[in-house]
Amino acid sequence: GAVVSQHPSRVICKSGTSVKIECRSLDFQATTMFWYRQFPKQSLMLMATSNEGSKATYEQGVEKDKFLINHASLTLSTLTVTSAHPEDSSFYICSAREAGADTQYFGPGTRLTVL
Amino acid sequence: SQQGEEDPQALSIQEGENATMNCSYKTSINNLQWYRQNSGRGLVHLILIRSNEREKHSGRLRVTLDTSKKSSSLLITASRAADTASYFCATESQGAQKLVFGQGTRLTINP
Repeated sequence: GAVVSQHPSRVICKSGTSVKIECRSLDFQATTMFWYRQFPKQSLMLMATSNEGSKATYEQGVEKDKFLINHASLTLSTLTVTSAHPEDSSFYICSAREAGADTQYFGPGTRLTVL
Repeated sequence: SQQGEEDPQALSIQEGENATMNCSYKTSINNLQWYRQNSGRGLVHLILIRSNEREKHSGRLRVTLDTSKKSSSLLITASRAADTASYFCATESQGAQKLVFGQGTRLTINP
């Protein structure tokens, strides 16, 4: 149980375009989802926390107009990187958590490359 | 900001040996969790230890927590080549849902 999927697993796009990444909890209801980014050989940095049906809470330094997060249902959250630039190239990972649970379950990640 | 500091940053041992990784943190926590990440992949949850617990076991894993020193250790016994990965500790602070990750330890098990 507790499987989280992400789509796509890899995406290459041109500078200036927007990219949407989906995160789904497959066998549980995720009241809270989290989005992280990870640069090569570094740790995960939390970008934002989203609760179903409400606006995401962004971490300091993360531009909410650039990284649009939608958590419209208990099984789906999306991250849209708007007007992507090469410096946005990174590994984006989501995680999901059930109400009242301690553990977050992580998706397999999405590797974004912006040319 | 990153709360956790992990050491060593990299560890290379022979198969069959034990591997110990340490994690320190700064604030009061609800729990501390350990995750494994294979190169270019997502994270796998290994074990969670709550602030009122001192030690926990799961298979070949043993985790300790010392809240007075704000530190934790992860011991992997009888290591295998398949244990090669990066290991991260993550803390959940009191009153917060989010996890703050340490810098990670890159573990290499040599056959």
